[in-house]
Amino acid sequence: EPEVTQTPSHQVTQMGQEVILRCVPISNHLYFYWYRQILGQKVEFLVSFYNNEISEKSEIFDDQFSVERPDGSNFTLKIRSTKLEDSAMYFCASSDVGDWGGNTQYFGPGTRLTVL
Amino acid sequence: AQSVTQPDIHITVSEGASLELRCNYSYGATPYLFWYVQSPGQGLQLLLKYFSGDTLVQGIKGFEAEFKRSQSSFNLRKPSVHWSDAAEYFCAVSTTDSWGKLQFGAGTQVVVTP
Repeated sequence: EPEVTQTPSHQVTQMGQEVILRCVPISNHLYFYWYRQILGQKVEFLVSFYNNEISEKSEIFDDQFSVERPDGSNFTLKIRSTKLEDSAMYFCASSDVGDWGGNTQYFGPGTRLTVL
Repeated sequence: AQSVTQPDIHITVSEGASLELRCNYSYGATPYLFWYVQSPGQGLQLLLKYFSGDTLVQGIKGFEAEFKRSQSSFNLRKPSVHWSDAAEYFCAVSTTDSWGKLQFGAGTQVVVTP
């Protein structure tokens, strides 16, 4: 069964450093997402991406964040200058073509980001 | 304001007993409803979804959920719980005007005792 993969599984970084989290969505999917889950809190939407453009982003997704699909298989989330409060589990998800509200998102295992 | 509520933070159930997890939503548009499960150290796995049609939906691992529009609820059930069902369960909602954005409930932690 196809699945979403994410690397690394755990990233430790110093405050102020840049990090790039990587995701390989399911191969025939065209819609991509990032979510995060701060320890003990809800899973929160960050951004959705389609046709090489951001479709929607949350207020969390400020200028420190960016997303990119650098090639036909990877989807990345970059945090330019990490803050302590960026420590969280980051989930990538993808979905196939379908009604926007009714598409089914499949999630990767997550990358745990720890900012020291 | 749009919201998803899972009233039970933590549920303990005996192996073999039935399980019901509650989910209520507050949305103006037609909701699309999902249940995901997260086992320790794992990602979010889709259990089942409701888009339209039959309000009782079957999912993987023996789970089912019932959509009740009048109660704005989408409760998850399993008739007989196995020890491997110990995990955190998340209800999630998207709508036609949300561009696929899922809004998650806070989750319910399920503990299974022998």
